[in-house]
Amino acid sequence: RKEVEQDPGPFNVPEGATVAFNCTYSNSASQSFFWYRQDCRKEPKLLMSVYSSGNEDGRFTAQLNRASQYISLLIRDSKLSDSATYLCVVNTGTYKYIFGTGTRLKVLA
Amino acid sequence: GAGVSQSPRYKVAKRGQDVALRCDPISGHVSLFWYQQALGQGPEFLTYFQNEAQLDKSGLPSDRFFAERPEGSVSTLKIQRTQQEDSAVYLCASTEGPEQFFGPGTRLTVL
Repeated sequence: RKEVEQDPGPFNVPEGATVAFNCTYSNSASQSFFWYRQDCRKEPKLLMSVYSSGNEDGRFTAQLNRASQYISLLIRDSKLSDSATYLCVVNTGTYKYIFGTGTRLKVLA
Repeated sequence: GAGVSQSPRYKVAKRGQDVALRCDPISGHVSLFWYQQALGQGPEFLTYFQNEAQLDKSGLPSDRFFAERPEGSVSTLKIQRTQQEDSAVYLCASTEGPEQFFGPGTRLTVL
């Protein structure tokens, strides 16, 4: 079993739709959680950190469920520019970051 | 300010050749990581430096892979006797706090 698992997608959604991705992690000692965005043939960039209390940044909401060991990302009012791969990243409190395989999102006009 | 830079951006090697990939991290960043990203996969950890010390090289796939950061800034990832399975994007990242800043990567193709 992989340490961090994501549905690879692709998720094809129309503009304006709400879409949600989940990511599960296996190490219960994991301490920090992140969502990164990666555009095609580009490097990953931090989208948002995920806090225990949940956090929101504009149209993006991230949630953490420690009991079930998953994190989620909700995107409201999807834009064409949201089309990308969303990488779930988990840190166990050391220097090591574990990346999921990514979930591809395509927002359709 | 300047971000993480990597060179070359693209490298084509014949099987058996040696290659060297360079990473210039953000100035002042102590921590530096190398990752390997295969098509359709997330980045996989290769190695970690804190300043010039290589603290973890557990992700290097074989002894053909070698990384160094002799002066605690620029880092080089060297792959000896390249094989086709080495074809991937090699990403370098430096960190400030919890955030990783990635370079654009080097796309290595081994023929």
